[in-house]
Amino acid sequence: TQLLEQSPQFLSIQEGENLTVYCNSSSVFSSLQWYRQEPGEGPVLLVTVVTGGEVKKLKRLTFQFGDARKDSSLHITAAQPGDTGLYLCAGAGGAGSYQLTFGKGTKLSVIP
Amino acid sequence: KAGVTQTPRYLIKTRGQQVTLSCSPISGHRSVSWYQQTPGQGLQFLFEYFSETQRNKGNFPGRFSGRQFSNSRSEMNVSTLELGDSALYLCASSLWGADTQYFGPGTRLTVL
Repeated sequence: TQLLEQSPQFLSIQEGENLTVYCNSSSVFSSLQWYRQEPGEGPVLLVTVVTGGEVKKLKRLTFQFGDARKDSSLHITAAQPGDTGLYLCAGAGGAGSYQLTFGKGTKLSVIP
Repeated sequence: KAGVTQTPRYLIKTRGQQVTLSCSPISGHRSVSWYQQTPGQGLQFLFEYFSETQRNKGNFPGRFSGRQFSNSRSEMNVSTLELGDSALYLCASSLWGADTQYFGPGTRLTVL
């Protein structure tokens, strides 16, 4: 069974601060996806990382996939209240696997 | 392109009853996955259907079942409801399964 551990579970910061969310596993994933979920809605994809060591940037968000494809991080620079939400990482297994394994999520609150 | 729709959005049932939830995927998507989301357990995979066939099943009791129709619409059924079944049930569609998941808004089930 593939498991994804996310940390921290909860994060409350002031507007303008930087933060990093981690997603770790002992399993290798063929790709890793990051989603954000806002209250009352389903998760929405932010980014997919596929190659070990890959770094992707989405405005103030930077995503990194570990060299061994077992872990990933999400760094937010100068957080804004609009970044508030639940951040979920999800790993895709190898060939023949048709499901994603989700972490439990990091609940981020950015205080104005 | 219309997004994933789920009906109903909210549902209140009593213990012992059964419930059927419906999901209409994005047009052209043949994979539909169902997840249960609770504050304590996060997003847990229930099952995935592709072209009317269940390809993957999560670790849930047999009271949870699903099906997919020829137009890719899917339903999930929970029989003999228990208090612990109270959760947000999310449906997601994708092209082939472990690629980008497009989530619906979810059905909030409360079991009294």
